[in-house]
Amino acid sequence: QQQVKQSPQSLIVQKGGIPIINCAYENTAFDYFPWYQQFPGKGPALLIAIRPDVSEKKEGRFTISFNKSAKQFSLHIMDSQPGDSATYFCAAKPYNAGGTSYGKLTFGQGTILTVHP
Amino acid sequence: NAGVMQNPRHLVRRRGQEARLRCSPMKGHSHVYWYRQLPEEGLKFMVYLQKENIIDESGMPKERFSAEFPKEGPSILRIQQVVRGDSAAYFCASSPGRVADTEAFFGQGTRLTVV
Repeated sequence: QQQVKQSPQSLIVQKGGIPIINCAYENTAFDYFPWYQQFPGKGPALLIAIRPDVSEKKEGRFTISFNKSAKQFSLHIMDSQPGDSATYFCAAKPYNAGGTSYGKLTFGQGTILTVHP
Repeated sequence: NAGVMQNPRHLVRRRGQEARLRCSPMKGHSHVYWYRQLPEEGLKFMVYLQKENIIDESGMPKERFSAEFPKEGPSILRIQQVVRGDSAAYFCASSPGRVADTEAFFGQGTRLTVV
């Protein structure tokens, strides 16, 4: 129930394409869903995040779509560039209604994205 | 404002030795999380600490692993009697912890190789 399942494992697109990465979760206590980008030899960096009270969030070329009833969310990268080539992780964490942060994240398995020039 | 600092970046240990990984959180952050990333896998939560307290260690192996976050100084993840299966990247993240819905910021990791 604690898992976050991510697919595909790897993805290759041409420059300008729109890669889509999907994640599904079981735990209904999850209430915050970030996406992280990781380059080789680096730590994960927050890309974009969404709460379940909205179905879509867009920041620049990155868009999260969220389907609460299906317990699924996805990342779309518009007009992808070779510099977007990285590993992408979805994650989830419960929101503590008491007002204190609880940062324990459950990560998906990761998607290795390659964008060809 | 420096980010989350982890050292060493790379650590090689022989089987049976001890490994000590250090994490200095971002300035003003009092919450630290340790994650382990095995090759070609996602990050797995290990332990969540506040200053001088372990809040959640549900992801820590029962033996050989320990963590601390003293009042002064960095957080330390300690692995005793390392085995080949401990080879992984270990990431530390920190957050302010006082405000709901805050984000945790990750360091660049320590890559442990056990030979």
